[in-house]
Amino acid sequence: NAGVTQTPKFQVLKTGQSMTLQCAQDMNHEYMSWYRQDPGMGLRLIHYSVGAGITDQGEVPNGYNVSRSTTEDFPLRLLSAAPSQTSVYFCASNDLGTGGLNEQFFGPGTRLTVL
Amino acid sequence: GENVEQHPSTLSVQEGDSAVIKCTYSDSASNYFPWYKQELGKRPQLIIDIRSNVGEKKDQRIAVTLNKTAKHFSLHITETQPEDSAVYFCAATTTSGTYKYIFGTGTRLKVLA
Repeated sequence: NAGVTQTPKFQVLKTGQSMTLQCAQDMNHEYMSWYRQDPGMGLRLIHYSVGAGITDQGEVPNGYNVSRSTTEDFPLRLLSAAPSQTSVYFCASNDLGTGGLNEQFFGPGTRLTVL
Repeated sequence: GENVEQHPSTLSVQEGDSAVIKCTYSDSASNYFPWYKQELGKRPQLIIDIRSNVGEKKDQRIAVTLNKTAKHFSLHITETQPEDSAVYFCAATTTSGTYKYIFGTGTRLKVLA
């Protein structure tokens, strides 16, 4: 199993450009999520999904869109990049199980710089 | 909304000493409390977790305690080693209508040889 994969690993954008960060998992997990990690701020939830066709907003959703057309893929779209979106982005997945949420498996991260 | 506070933000201990990191959560419906370790430049990885029906869990040198009444949970690392140096994150999750992981802001642990 590859686990959770993310592409690209690094990206530099100019203000106003759009792009999509890719995330895929091969563990058949229902739950997938996107976080951004900034120094001193921990991991902040952007969007999450509990299954194909279902998405919801996290703590910091503004400026980002997601979709979940398949169980495996959960892309994150930046509509019009701003310098405030410079960050490290992590995708994660986990199964829901009978007890609710379980261990999250993280991807390797994407380091995004917006100039 | 939901909130998780984590203290301290940095912690330095001598090798062999114990380290304690504390978290407080706001949503009384939270029922799963994982701890993640993140080494420099790497992804977070789970080191231990606890569910709301358990008060304490131990795995070798690490343990987690949960006080549901006070909405506190803590990570305890005994006999610290240089390889324990990393950033540690707590999280609280709830399945009451939403499925959200809320993370604390992290604790940078330095184990001094």
